Amino acid sequence: DAKTTQPPSMDCAEGRAANLPCNHSTISGNEYVYWYRQIHSQGPQYIIHGLKNNETNEMASLIITEDRKSSTLILPHATLRDTAVYYCIVSSNTGKLIFGQGTTLQVKP
Amino acid sequence: SQTIHQWPATLVQPVGSPLSLECTVEGTSNPNLYWYRQAAGRGLQLLFYSIGIDQISSEVPQNLSASRPQDRQFILSSKKLLLSDSGFYLCAWSVLGQPSNEQFFGPGTRLTVL
Repeated sequence: DAKTTQPPSMDCAEGRAANLPCNHSTISGNEYVYWYRQIHSQGPQYIIHGLKNNETNEMASLIITEDRKSSTLILPHATLRDTAVYYCIVSSNTGKLIFGQGTTLQVKP
Repeated sequence: SQTIHQWPATLVQPVGSPLSLECTVEGTSNPNLYWYRQAAGRGLQLLFYSIGIDQISSEVPQNLSASRPQDRQFILSSKKLLLSDSGFYLCAWSVLGQPSNEQFFGPGTRLTVL
């Protein structure tokens, strides 16, 4: 499975959009991009996934570059409850997910 | 609806003692099951992965073992705990073949080895 690179931490003002980048330059054609988040002392929570096209759901939007070497998770209106560690993972649909260090997002009032 | 249970929620064990953590899933059949460990301040490390009864893959060498005696039961064990086994142990399940590859995590067990 391809590796990902994320900034270790980011801050965002409450009510503003949070844009979390992820580099995955070695992604293979059959690998998806997955985003999970982990709020302190809880298990990770699935957010969104994509293959080639941009995706949007009730939680977030996922923007994948045309060459698929990077992506951005967008939380359109961040709240204090969005403070968490966000993990970007690339994986084929085998079931296994390899979590990296993620980005710690701090939403500030 | 599907639910996942883990117990105990917290555990304090002396070095050299045995360990048994249990995970059960309800409301689904033939799930993929996973054990992860998260050391303090670190990311999640995949320990074991199972696609069926008695079918378990070990992802990292260690003094832990896993068993799946029933379809929806996954057990993590050790004969002798080390200090380095301390951490937050999470069990998860998923359905193979779903494009979302969504894994559902249990509440976790916080293990402290003294």
